[in-house]
Amino acid sequence: GAGVSQSPSNKVTEKGKDVELRCDPISGHTALYWYRQSLGQGLEFLIYFQGNSAPDKSGLPSDRFSAERTGGSVSTLTIQRTQQEDSAVYLCASSPEVGEAFFGQGTRLTVV
Amino acid sequence: GENVEQHPSTLSVQEGDSAVIKCTYSDSASNYFPWYKQELGKRPQLIIDIRSNVGEKKDQRIAVTLNKTAKHFSLHITETQPEDSAVYFCAAPPGGSYIPTFGRGTSLIVHP
Repeated sequence: GAGVSQSPSNKVTEKGKDVELRCDPISGHTALYWYRQSLGQGLEFLIYFQGNSAPDKSGLPSDRFSAERTGGSVSTLTIQRTQQEDSAVYLCASSPEVGEAFFGQGTRLTVV
Repeated sequence: GENVEQHPSTLSVQEGDSAVIKCTYSDSASNYFPWYKQELGKRPQLIIDIRSNVGEKKDQRIAVTLNKTAKHFSLHITETQPEDSAVYFCAAPPGGSYIPTFGRGTSLIVHP
């Protein structure tokens, strides 16, 4: 069975460009989360999707960040006009309605 | 929202010793407490979790204890081995939420 899949695994972009990060959750998992992990730091919550409910966007650091989840499955995190401080590993996780969060391998974003 | 404090930030032990990592949380309605292990360059993975209806749970060399009155929970690793070296994160979703709030992590180093 496939786990949580993220793409790309690495992304280098120029400051000011937009980037899209993709997450393919485990089939049947209703909850999907995005976290950000800066070098040597903890896990910073960004956004949460649960079924057809409105997403919890309370962790998004600025209006340059947005995310969507189509058909209750695949999610895309978009960062517009990237800044150097956006450089981090972006982790996606999915879970059954109540229970363990399974993480993807992450996308390492470097803004130069 | 939930506030999760994790201590220590770094823990260095000799192989065979025990290691204890402690977390406190602020929301008395929290009822699910997972622990994740993140090896260098890899994704966080659940190693053990506990729900609020029990005070202790064991799985081979690892155990978690929960004190709901004091709002703290701890990870215990016995007979540590070099492969236990990793960053460990505790988490506690606030009551009524499924979004894990993570501690800042503990870097465990087991010296052979």
